[in-house]
Parts: sequence; C-alpha cells; structure tokens
Amino acid sequence: QKEVEQNSGPLSVPEGAIASLNCTYSDRGSQSFFWYRQYSGKSPELIMSIYSNGDKEDGRFTAQLNKASQYVSLLIRDSQPSDSATYLCAVNTNAGKSTFGDGTTLTVKP
Amino acid sequence: EAGVVQSPRYKIIEKKQPVAFWCNPISGHNTLYWYRQNLGQGPELLIRYENEEAVDDSQLPKDRFSAERLKGVDSTLKIQPAELGDSAVYLCASSTRSGTSGKEQFFGPGTRLTVL
Repeated sequence: QKEVEQNSGPLSVPEGAIASLNCTYSDRGSQSFFWYRQYSGKSPELIMSIYSNGDKEDGRFTAQLNKASQYVSLLIRDSQPSDSATYLCAVNTNAGKSTFGDGTTLTVKP
Repeated sequence: EAGVVQSPRYKIIEKKQPVAFWCNPISGHNTLYWYRQNLGQGPELLIRYENEEAVDDSQLPKDRFSAERLKGVDSTLKIQPAELGDSAVYLCASSTRSGTSGKEQFFGPGTRLTVL
C-alpha cells in the first residue's frame, strides 16, 4: 500500500461543473497537507495547503481535511479548460517528511 | 523574487557516464529537496536538507547517487555511473521551515535526464 493514494483518473468533467479529487494517506502522524497542480511537461505548483480538520476555501478551490478518516480532498468549482492538469496530493509528517501521491489527471471539456 | 533555479534543463548521456544537477533555492529558504519523477508518477523524495544537513536521505541510492549542500544554499546532485533506469525528471524544491512539519514547497523547472 502506498503512503499517499490517489485515483489516477482520468477524471473528465464538463466546463462549469464541480471537479472532486480525493486523497488518502496512511501515516497518522501527518500534520500538513498540500495540493499541487502540474501541467504536462511542467513542474508542480502549489494550489492549497490545509493543516486542520474542516474546509478551507480559496477562490474556486476548496480543500477538505478529515484526519480521523485520513482523507483529504480538493473541490474545484466552475471548472475551466485551463484547470486540465494532474493534481498531486502531498502529505508532510510531524518530522517534516514529505510524500506525494501519483496524481489524478483532470480533463475539463469545453 | 527569483524562483528556484535548476540547471541544466535537459541532459542526454550514455549509460555508465556521470552526470550532475545544480539547484539554487529561493533566497531565505533553508529547506531544500531533491525529487525524482517518472512519467505518470508523483515526485519521489531522494534527499532533504535543513540548511547544510541532510536530514532525510533514506530514499537516495547511495551506491551511485550523491548530493551536497556545502554552505546551506545551493546544492548539487550527482549520479555516477548512470543507468538506463535513471532516466527521469529531477526536481529541486525549497521551502521555509515553520513548525515541525514544514511549509509548502516551491519547485524549480526540473532537469530531464535521458540515459541511452
């Protein structure tokens, strides 16, 4: 079992819809959680960080964290074709160890 | 503010040859990471530095990989000798250190290595 699991996709949604991306992790000592977006041929760029249980909203993006269920998600509202990319979930333990999932590929169709 | 700088951007070598990658992190970022990313996979941590100290190198194949960050600023990752399976994108990232679990990372453009 990988330490950070994501559905590989591809996930396809129509323009304007809500895209829901999920991530589970195995280390209960994890403290910090991040979502990165990676366009094809480019390096990852940070979208959201979340450190405590609940929801965190930033524009069209909402990150949700449930430490009891070891689950973190990213919702993208009003999806745009420019949101088409691979979304990476990253988890940091209390010791600062950083582990990435293999990403979910999202396609937003006009 | 300048981002993370990496060089070279691309490198093609024959197997058994040595290769080196260089990274200059964002000014003031004391944590530096080297990752390897294969196609269709997430970044895999090779080594993490806090200032000049390597605090996590458990995933670094030490028989052929080495890294240094002598003055706690820029860093070099070396492979000697390279193998076909080393073909990948090598990413450098940096972050500030806040709390015990660390902060978000900023990535350089990466070096795409092809071993023939």
